[in-house]
Amino acid sequence: GNSVTQMEGPVTLSEEAFLTINCTYTATGYPSLFWYVQYPGEGLQLLLKATKADDKGSNKGFEATYRKETTSFHLEKGSVQVSDSAVYFCALTVGTQGGSEKLVFGKGMKLTVNP
Amino acid sequence: SAVISQKPSRDICQRGTSLTIQCQVDSQVTMMFWYRQQPGQSLTLIATANQGSEATYESGFVIDKFPISRPNLTFSTLTVSNMSPEDSSIYLCSVERGANNEQFFGPGTRLTVL
Repeated sequence: GNSVTQMEGPVTLSEEAFLTINCTYTATGYPSLFWYVQYPGEGLQLLLKATKADDKGSNKGFEATYRKETTSFHLEKGSVQVSDSAVYFCALTVGTQGGSEKLVFGKGMKLTVNP
Repeated sequence: SAVISQKPSRDICQRGTSLTIQCQVDSQVTMMFWYRQQPGQSLTLIATANQGSEATYESGFVIDKFPISRPNLTFSTLTVSNMSPEDSSIYLCSVERGANNEQFFGPGTRLTVL
């Protein structure tokens, strides 16, 4: 079946530390891959995405590369800030019974960045 | 982007009762989705709701337990029926918009069933 496995936290880092959140997937066909972020008290927001192999998604200093050979989509940021404290979800899209595409999520990882 | 609101933001309910969650979008959308996030788990799609047709439920979810309404292109409701403590979750609606069919999420409804 279709599934996403990601690093589970919680993780606490100091400001300006390097961040990697691992994400691997299992899917039939060729999924699109996403990272969503949920800041405290807010709804889920799309952080970045990649739709085909070797694509790199980037936003707000975060990057992730679609690696088909390793079925991975690891999220990285070179220098985290306190404002990056949030829960991060890796996800992929697959077709639904209704014909649309649905998101399949990992369990999420809570990141806290201390000053 | 899309502005999505949900009501209530949270509730504490008694076993055996039902709760209806509302989702309002700031503009017309074709596809609306309802997800559940159980404690410590990932988000799971419950159903897809198109205006003017019956909702399509994912495996493991049934209409009797989670009836959905979609009366127009900006509004949907999800009812959690005959609740048990296992229904304690965050329930989120989302909509699909834009050329790339990106999904935008509401803030969620945190439900606790005693």
